[in-house]
Amino acid sequence: QSVLTQPPSASGTPGQRVTISCSGSSSNIGSNPVAWYQHLPGAAPKLLIYNHNQRPSGVPDRFSGSTSGTSASLAISGLQSEDETDYSCAAWDDSLNGYVFGSGTKVTVL
Amino acid sequence: QVQLLESGPGLVKPSQTLSLTCTVSGGSLNTGPYYWSWTRQPAGKGLEWIGRIYPSGSTNYNPSLKSRVTISIDTSRKHFSLNLSSVTAADTAVYYCARVDRRLPGMDVWGQGTTVTVSS
Repeated sequence: QSVLTQPPSASGTPGQRVTISCSGSSSNIGSNPVAWYQHLPGAAPKLLIYNHNQRPSGVPDRFSGSTSGTSASLAISGLQSEDETDYSCAAWDDSLNGYVFGSGTKVTVL
Repeated sequence: QVQLLESGPGLVKPSQTLSLTCTVSGGSLNTGPYYWSWTRQPAGKGLEWIGRIYPSGSTNYNPSLKSRVTISIDTSRKHFSLNLSSVTAADTAVYYCARVDRRLPGMDVWGQGTTVTVSS
């Protein structure tokens, strides 16, 4: 059972906006920077968002992150077919003294 | 361009120790604002953080694995390693090593991953 809770799936049509939620607690999301990772099948995970809402160079601005209290969200605007894959949130947990990942959300482009 | 590459046995017997090495190329293990980590993903499940090591050798481990995990680093030989003892089928997974940039923070460079199966 993951410490951070995500919906197992999300979907949208090309061009739509899709939002993925990530629910945590005061010991993780509530007090530490949130990151999001994109995980394509057969490939290594890729850092998509760091420090709640910052994008590494090369990540399209279609991807945006936000955090409020103990919840975070990843938004994908202008959904494209290549966005169909898994996404995970993550943050340091002060109580566990360890890094925790979300359960993962599979995005489907209809 | 820093690259990471995991190596080690793809098959480990139950109760034995899983040993993997992550070799760094294009950079150094002990320069810059970085530390190094291991993460795994069982088939059909989410990512699970195993632990991290600083260039100094200081470590933090996932509490659920702490009694079985050891991560070590050899900066001169440009690799860091994972040992997981007393493995069971539940340890079957794709294992990834990654670099963590403290300034972000986030795992900004990942290895390609290596599949480890625990089976007799």
